Amino acid sequence: EDKVVQSPLSLVVHEGDTVTLNCSYEVTNFRSLLWYKQEKKAPTFLFMLTSSGIEKKSGRLSSILDKKELFSILNITATQTGDSAVYLCAGGGSQGNLIFGKGTKLSVKP
Amino acid sequence: EAGVAQSPRYKIIEKRQSVAFWCNPISGHATLYWYQQILGQGPKLLIQFQNNGVVDDSQLPKDRFSAERLKGVDSTLKIQPAKLEDSAVYLCASSSWTGAYGYTFGSGTRLTVV
Repeated sequence: EDKVVQSPLSLVVHEGDTVTLNCSYEVTNFRSLLWYKQEKKAPTFLFMLTSSGIEKKSGRLSSILDKKELFSILNITATQTGDSAVYLCAGGGSQGNLIFGKGTKLSVKP
Repeated sequence: EAGVAQSPRYKIIEKRQSVAFWCNPISGHATLYWYQQILGQGPKLLIQFQNNGVVDDSQLPKDRFSAERLKGVDSTLKIQPAKLEDSAVYLCASSSWTGAYGYTFGSGTRLTVV
């Protein structure tokens, strides 16, 4: 059965800290690993990773994929209160469907 | 480009009642998805359409849930009769083609069954 496991499930940090969110996956016919940020209802797209070892960056966020170990991490540097959200990891199967993990709830304290 | 539109935004019903949700995808997007997100969980795919055909409905509880996309554009998801465990956010998403993963989600419908 396909599964995506995220850790930790929740995390509390202070502004300026650096955080690392973890995601392991087992997805049949795996194609891509995606990260989303969810603040209220709609997840918003952050990254899509298809190749091992190539880091993707967007501002203070970065992510990398290890297809041998079936693992990905999302890093956030110099965290801000606006980074508080649930971060979802998802494995993409062959038909575009996504298998999501439970998410990591990040709380950034001022 | 307009986003994925969903309605209603909130719905409260009693168990055993029926309810319907509506989704209008981004113009020109052939693939449409319905996901169910229970509180504290990640979204789970219920059904995937390619134009007006079903690609995957393996996790749709077909005894009570139904979905259609008759003209290959907008879609409706129906629950009849609703159970308490159906309380969740129902998210619709669309993509330009099957296999395009970074798709856009609508703002969702929060269903509460009491």
